[in-house]
Amino acid sequence: DIVMTQTPLSSPVTLGQPASISCRSSQSLVHSDGNTYLSWLQQRPGQPPRLLIYKISNRFSGVPDRFSGSGAGTDFTLKISRVEAEDVGVYYCMQVTQFPYTFGQGTKLEIK
Amino acid sequence: QVQLQESGPGLVKPSETLSLTCAVSPYSINSSYFWGWIRQPPGKGLEWIGSIYYNGYTYSNPSLKSRVTISLDTSKNQFSLKLTSVTAADTAVYYCARMGAYYDNNWGSPLPREPDYWGQGTLVTVSS
Repeated sequence: DIVMTQTPLSSPVTLGQPASISCRSSQSLVHSDGNTYLSWLQQRPGQPPRLLIYKISNRFSGVPDRFSGSGAGTDFTLKISRVEAEDVGVYYCMQVTQFPYTFGQGTKLEIK
Repeated sequence: QVQLQESGPGLVKPSETLSLTCAVSPYSINSSYFWGWIRQPPGKGLEWIGSIYYNGYTYSNPSLKSRVTISLDTSKNQFSLKLTSVTAADTAVYYCARMGAYYDNNWGSPLPREPDYWGQGTLVTVSS
């Protein structure tokens, strides 16, 4: 199985400041079709997960442009340009390149 | 907007079968998407259980594969999960989700993509 490792596990951030979360996979996530199927999801307290980013850097419908994704191969990053109160929650990376699909352990974003 | 709603018993006894249904609206499940199940033990991370395509292709997590059955009911626009021989380790919030599809030449069939719409989730506790 591909192991997804996120850092940090907890990230206290000041409102209006940027935040960054890293995700590293144990194997390359480049698929034979040339795409890299790495996604980011947000889970607000008491809510189901919500898709933010797919294929490394594509924002899903309705996702604010303060969220951005980057990376390649085995190293990926989610950035929030200016954290807002509604961004509090747990963020997960997920790979759908290889079965079984796997998630990172989650990074808790909280306000200082 | 696609809406998904899980339903089923909140309490299942050990060794019995967990059965959940996901009702989809207003989108038809008889379309080029996968429909999947993902679970989250209390206070823990996410685990992909399995996904089914509208034509019946099904993929499951090998860690659960022998216990998992996912099926479609197009007449009711819903899909279902059955997990047999449950133990306390199967206690979790179970989510259903829509997942896109991409074609894989090596597999010769479509494969699920990331989940883009999720249900609210339903807590299933395994206890006697």
